[in-house]
Amino acid sequence: GQQVMQIPQYQHVQEGEDFTTYCNSSTTLSNIQWYKQRPGGHPVFLIQLVKSGEVKKQKRLTFQFGEAKKNSSLHITATQTTDVGTYFCAGPARDTGRRALTFGSGTRLQVQP
Amino acid sequence: DAGVIQSPRHEVTEMGQEVTLRCKPISGHNSLFWYRQTMMRGLELLIYFNNNVPIDDSGMPEDRFSAKMPNASFSTLKIQPSEPRDSAVYFCASSLEQGSTEAFFGQGTRLTVV
Repeated sequence: GQQVMQIPQYQHVQEGEDFTTYCNSSTTLSNIQWYKQRPGGHPVFLIQLVKSGEVKKQKRLTFQFGEAKKNSSLHITATQTTDVGTYFCAGPARDTGRRALTFGSGTRLQVQP
Repeated sequence: DAGVIQSPRHEVTEMGQEVTLRCKPISGHNSLFWYRQTMMRGLELLIYFNNNVPIDDSGMPEDRFSAKMPNASFSTLKIQPSEPRDSAVYFCASSLEQGSTEAFFGQGTRLTVV
């Protein structure tokens, strides 16, 4: 079945440092979505990328969708303590009948003030 | 809209007991998903419905798990009998369309089976 992996599993940074998480799918994705889950909370939608090679920015966050639509990345510039949480990528497999989102393993970000 | 509503928020039960988790999706959303989150396995899709019809239940761990969606505004996930390894946070989510639009998650039900 479809697998979505993320690296790293965990990252601890000093406030102000940059952070990047990478997402790789075993199958081609029709779109990729990113979610953030604060400690003790629930996943909250951040953004969706649809086109091959697409890049989107939200303030300090930059999201990229790979040319082959099998990988993606999230980059945070100058992290803040409010960025703490686990970041998940998710996508429905284009080549299979399954249309629900498969979530990546997540990257937990800790920011030291 | 109040968002996706799950109940209860916390459930502690003894092994062997039946557990029922409830979910009210956002009005107008056609797709509903049940996910389970654990430290070891992350966020796993258990089952999803489209227009109240179960589409894919391949993620349901075993026959002890069952899910229903009798109407567009209500779904249940039942575990009978429950086991300690079922302890996890169970999330319900809904979206306008399966897979192509953002999923809105409920607050989750933290289940502890002792």
